[in-house]
Amino acid sequence: EFVLTQSPGTLSLSPGERATLSCRVSPSVSSSHLAWYQQKPGQAPRLLIYEASSRATGIPDRFSGSGSGTDFTLTISSLEPEDFAVYYCQQHFNTPYTFGQGTKLEIK
Amino acid sequence: EVQLLESGGGLVQPGGSLRLSCAASGFTFSSYDMIWIRQAPGKGLQWVSIISGSGGISYYADSVNGRFTISRDNSKNTLYLQMSSLRAEDTAVYYCAKRRGYNYGAFEYWGQGTLVSVSS
Repeated sequence: EFVLTQSPGTLSLSPGERATLSCRVSPSVSSSHLAWYQQKPGQAPRLLIYEASSRATGIPDRFSGSGSGTDFTLTISSLEPEDFAVYYCQQHFNTPYTFGQGTKLEIK
Repeated sequence: EVQLLESGGGLVQPGGSLRLSCAASGFTFSSYDMIWIRQAPGKGLQWVSIISGSGGISYYADSVNGRFTISRDNSKNTLYLQMSSLRAEDTAVYYCAKRRGYNYGAFEYWGQGTLVSVSS
């Protein structure tokens, strides 16, 4: 089973700052099978990034993904007020399709 | 426009059963794998089950294997999750989702979720 570990657990930043979220995968996974989701309180998750670096439909270009193998990163270049949420990484290569435990991005 | 609408959640006693439904529209339902994911209160996301477009292949998380059954009716564009022998730890919001590709890819579209509460 793939284990995904996200860091940090909570990230406190101000609007306009840059956010860097990490996802470590064990064992390694192809970047084709790594995704990022955003979830706001009371809402369903929303796909942000697929195949590690491709933005989903309608996702602003301030969101970017990178990485390969065991280390993946979600970067938000300049935080907008609506970006404060919980972010999850996920592998969808093999069942069980596992998620990281999430990073909460909160306003400082 | 892709739409997924779950229903069937509610309060059920431990050991009881419940069937969730997910009505799909806006895409060729029978061509796509469909997924159930759940989220316990205040917790993260957990994949529950997946079913192929034809309905012939399905997989389950260990925690629900043998108790939950995923199925679909392609004539009704509806996905189901039959849950039995429910436990308190099954309490969660249950989401259905559609993959980006027919049988591959990230979970591109999600429903709004339906809450299942298991309690006496």
